[in-house]
Formats: sequence, structure tokens, C-alpha cells
Amino acid sequence: VTLLEQNPRWRLVPRGQAVNLRCILKNSQYPWMSWYQQDLQKQLQWLFTLRSPGDKEVKSLPGADYLATRVTDTELRLQVANMSQGRTLYCTCSADIGRADTGQLYFGEGSKLTVL
Amino acid sequence: GDSVTQKQGQVTLSEDDFLFINCTYSTTTYPTLLWYVQYLGQGPQLLLKVTTANNKGISRGFEATYDKGTTSFHLQKASVQESDSAVYFCALVDITGNTGKLIFGLGTTLQVQP
Repeated sequence: VTLLEQNPRWRLVPRGQAVNLRCILKNSQYPWMSWYQQDLQKQLQWLFTLRSPGDKEVKSLPGADYLATRVTDTELRLQVANMSQGRTLYCTCSADIGRADTGQLYFGEGSKLTVL
Repeated sequence: GDSVTQKQGQVTLSEDDFLFINCTYSTTTYPTLLWYVQYLGQGPQLLLKVTTANNKGISRGFEATYDKGTTSFHLQKASVQESDSAVYFCALVDITGNTGKLIFGLGTTLQVQP
């Protein structure tokens, strides 16, 4: 049984359009949820960690803009916008299943985004 | 800032070979160090972690020693199997206030041939 469910698993994104990703936590006892991005070279980069419903954060990185929202205790969302043409990236959510700051993260299987 | 370096982008071995993946880190503190493994089509999963300098982490035949003298955390396995083929990431816990934030190395792709 997977702890984190991500959808969609794959999306073709028309140039200039934003895409909304969801991450559902199956066990609400793990409050610290995060988003990571991973490029085709497999490099993993932390984006956000959101703890409480209502928390929001934005970030701009080369190649994409991000807006993360903690919707409920069990749902984390990510809006990805302004992706560079021809780019493919993966967005993966995680939950901290250890005590805080132990680094014991459970990752979802990721959402693959490809810009047309 | 803190960083993790993995020099090997790809390692190709045969079954029963010895595995060594290089990892060094740079921080101003003594962080928790970890190895994550990512199999094809899956998210990364924790392989092992060590919180204390000079300690060794062991899991599933893999081991890594936290060497603060050389700031290294190399991953080793005595005898690899084809099922070990995956991408291996060295990481450290960022303690600047963002729970859930890890700093990853670039990853080492291990391919084990039967």
C-alpha cells in the first residue's frame, strides 16, 4: 500500500499553460509534506515544505514557476507554470515519516510533465 | 551553502562485483547523512542513514561510514546483483529550518550486468 498518491502521473503541457498536481497522503500522522523537482539528468532539488492547511509558497526557478498549497492535512498541491518549451521534468512529493529533521522521507512516484 | 558531491555519474558492474560509490559533503555542521535509491519508474526510497560521525549505516548488504575527517560517506556493497541496478543518491539533511529538506548529490546510475 503506497503512502503517497500523485496525480496525474503524466501530462503533456501546451506551451504557456499551467498544470496542477495533487499529492494525497494516506496517513495523516505525517504532517510535513514537501515537493521536489527532478530533471532528466535525475538531479533532485527541494522546492517546498508545507506543514499546515492553508500554507502557501511560491518559487521561481530557471525553467518553471511554482505555487505550492497545503490544502488539507492529507492533500498537497503544486501548480507549475511558465515551463520552458521542450522541457521535461518530474515533480515528486514526499512525507517526513521520521521525527522532524531526521531525513527519513517517503517519496511518491512522481508526476512527469512534458512541455510541447 | 551545504552541498553533496558524487563524482561518478555511471557505474557498470557484473553480478558479484564489489560496489563503491563516492560521496563527499560540505557543511558547517555535522549533518545526518543518507543514501537513497531510485528504481526505474519509482520515487526515491531511503536505503540507509547515519546521524553520528564515525558511525556506519548498514542495510540490505549496503554500508556507508560517516567519516567527518574526510567529509565522506561512500557507499559500498560486497557483491552486487542485477536487482541492485538503480540510481543512488547521497544526501544530507538541511537544518536551516525547512523540515523535509534534503540536499542531494547528482546521483550515480548503477547498471549490473548478469
